[in-house]
Amino acid sequence: EVQLVESGGGLVQPGGSLRLSCAASGFTVSSKYMSWVRQAPGKGLEWVSVIYSGGSTYHADSVKGRFTISRDNSKNTVYLQMNSLRAEDTAVYYCARLPPGDYWGQGTLVTVSS
Amino acid sequence: QAVVTQEPSLTVSPGGTVTLTCGSSTGAVTSDNYPYWFQQKPGQAPRTLIYDTSSKHSWTPARFSGSLLGGKAALTLSGAQPEDEAEYYCLLSYSGARPVFGGGTKLTVL
Repeated sequence: EVQLVESGGGLVQPGGSLRLSCAASGFTVSSKYMSWVRQAPGKGLEWVSVIYSGGSTYHADSVKGRFTISRDNSKNTVYLQMNSLRAEDTAVYYCARLPPGDYWGQGTLVTVSS
Repeated sequence: QAVVTQEPSLTVSPGGTVTLTCGSSTGAVTSDNYPYWFQQKPGQAPRTLIYDTSSKHSWTPARFSGSLLGGKAALTLSGAQPEDEAEYYCLLSYSGARPVFGGGTKLTVL
């Protein structure tokens, strides 16, 4: 059974860092495209980052230079390293097997506040 | 960055048909934008209904279909059910640029 479980969210001060994890089971993350999507409270969805099976990575302009997506094949886990966090980064962060979007995690809440 | 537009809200009667659309500020939406449609209910993660314009996942109810219509991506719901009340988001991909979500359509079944 395929599962994606996010962790690592929490409260962090502006300018701080956080690393989100997405532990996968039932498939190998290195063989799929994996994305992070976020949703600010009461707002719509925003695409954040993707890592392709070949290892290429892409990030939204809003997080470029601050966020980094990566994976650890030995742990079958995808990460989102978030640095220089801002209040506007406050959101639920979802990990998804996207494309094609067939599996999503339940999300982890990141709150950036002093 | 492109702006992707959706109707903010729509209402459909139970058993009725409704079409949600997804437009792009860059011009006509084509299959090269690989349109996606997601359904999200309050407190839940999104669920992908349609990918690559019209492809369905195994869990996508048959009453949902995706297409291109008048230069936009479209999601048609035929025979609406109360459980279809939700927020619907589209996602468009752009060559050489990052994918962009639409602002979402709140669908009410009433």
